[in-house]
Amino acid sequence: LAKTTQPISMDSYEGQEVNITCSHNNIATNDYITWYQQFPSQGPRFIIQGYKTKVTNEVASLFIPADRKSSTLSLPRVSLSDTAVYYCLVVSNTGRRALTFGSGTRLQVQP
Amino acid sequence: GAVVSQHPSWVICKSGTSVKIECRSLDFQATTMFWYRQFPKQSLMLMATSNEGSKATYEQGVEKDKFLINHASLTLSTLTVTSAHPEDSSFYICSARDRRRLADYNEQFFGPGTRLTVL
Repeated sequence: LAKTTQPISMDSYEGQEVNITCSHNNIATNDYITWYQQFPSQGPRFIIQGYKTKVTNEVASLFIPADRKSSTLSLPRVSLSDTAVYYCLVVSNTGRRALTFGSGTRLQVQP
Repeated sequence: GAVVSQHPSWVICKSGTSVKIECRSLDFQATTMFWYRQFPKQSLMLMATSNEGSKATYEQGVEKDKFLINHASLTLSTLTVTSAHPEDSSFYICSARDRRRLADYNEQFFGPGTRLTVL
């Protein structure tokens, strides 16, 4: 599976838009990009998934350029409750289905 | 929908004892469940893949005789940490895939985790 690289940590303030970029240079044709959120002492929670271009749901947007070697998770108008670790994963839709978590990005939202 | 529960949520045990952790899919059936371990300030590390009705597949470096996995039904997988030692203290998390959505993208639903502390 393609390895992912994302910033270790980010800081933001309430009400700001936060963009977390993830690089996945070796992404394969059958791979999807998926983002999970994890609060302390809780299991990860699915946020969004995409294959190419832009995907938006009620929580976030995911931007994927044409070469798919990177992706950007966009959180609009963050609040204190968005403080968490965000994981970018490259997920294959065939074969082995286990998820490989990288180091994640620790987002700290300040008042 | 798509809720996964774990029991217990936390457990403290003495060194040398065995601890069983349950993972249940509450409103869907899961032919495949996964077990992860997470140490403080670290990422999740996959331990094993649990398949209903068959033997689990363990990741390299994970002792199958120490971490016993049983997936006897489509809604329950158990992880037993045998002869636990302090270095086994960790946060254990399970996840499950909805068997009705195997053709869909690979979304997994995670349990809330179990905090194991071995004294």
